[in-house]
Amino acid sequence: AQTVTQSQPEMSVQEAETVTLSCTYDTSENNYYLFWYKQPPSRQMILVIRQEAYKQQNATENRFSVNFQKAAKSFSLKISDSQLGDTAMYFCAFRTSYGKLTFGQGTILTVHP
Amino acid sequence: DVKVTQSSRYLVKRTGEKVFLECVQDMDHENMFWYRQDPGLGLRLIYFSYDVKMKEKGDIPEGYSVSREKKERFSLILESASTNQTSMYLCASRAQTESNTEAFFGQGTRLTVV
Repeated sequence: AQTVTQSQPEMSVQEAETVTLSCTYDTSENNYYLFWYKQPPSRQMILVIRQEAYKQQNATENRFSVNFQKAAKSFSLKISDSQLGDTAMYFCAFRTSYGKLTFGQGTILTVHP
Repeated sequence: DVKVTQSSRYLVKRTGEKVFLECVQDMDHENMFWYRQDPGLGLRLIYFSYDVKMKEKGDIPEGYSVSREKKERFSLILESASTNQTSMYLCASRAQTESNTEAFFGQGTRLTVV
């Protein structure tokens, strides 16, 4: 069975600074996908970034980037130039090609002005 | 625009009632999912469906059942609601492909069982 662990229940950062959210996972699969989702107070889950396990290059989406360490089974999210609108719950998620999506416990990120 | 719609944002039910949570997607997706979200536990998969009339248990199926009679609709049923089923319920759907397609979520139903 796959498991996803987010060890930081809460994080905070000052506006314009950089923050890194941690995620580790456990699987025996070789082909899989990793995601970071954001859930703002509106409760609508929004995809932030995705990474295919077979790609060595780390994914980036504007201010969001990941550090994917396949051997260590680690998938952290870096948010640069943090903005007030980044305040949300962030979930790391894992999916095999089979389709089942497994989530971590979530990290509440607060961006302070 | 992609849309996953859950029938209620807030619901209050009594212990022992039969509860139906409805989810509809307009993207012709094969896969649909029901999760519950609890503080400190993240999202846990209750049931998922690969296609019409196909279903598979997730990690916490006890006390729940599902129905998928049409491709666009996936219903979660609490046969006899209990207070420990008070939670946020999220529905999601995605296309069944080998690619890195994402799952799309509804806005959630916050269910309170009293």
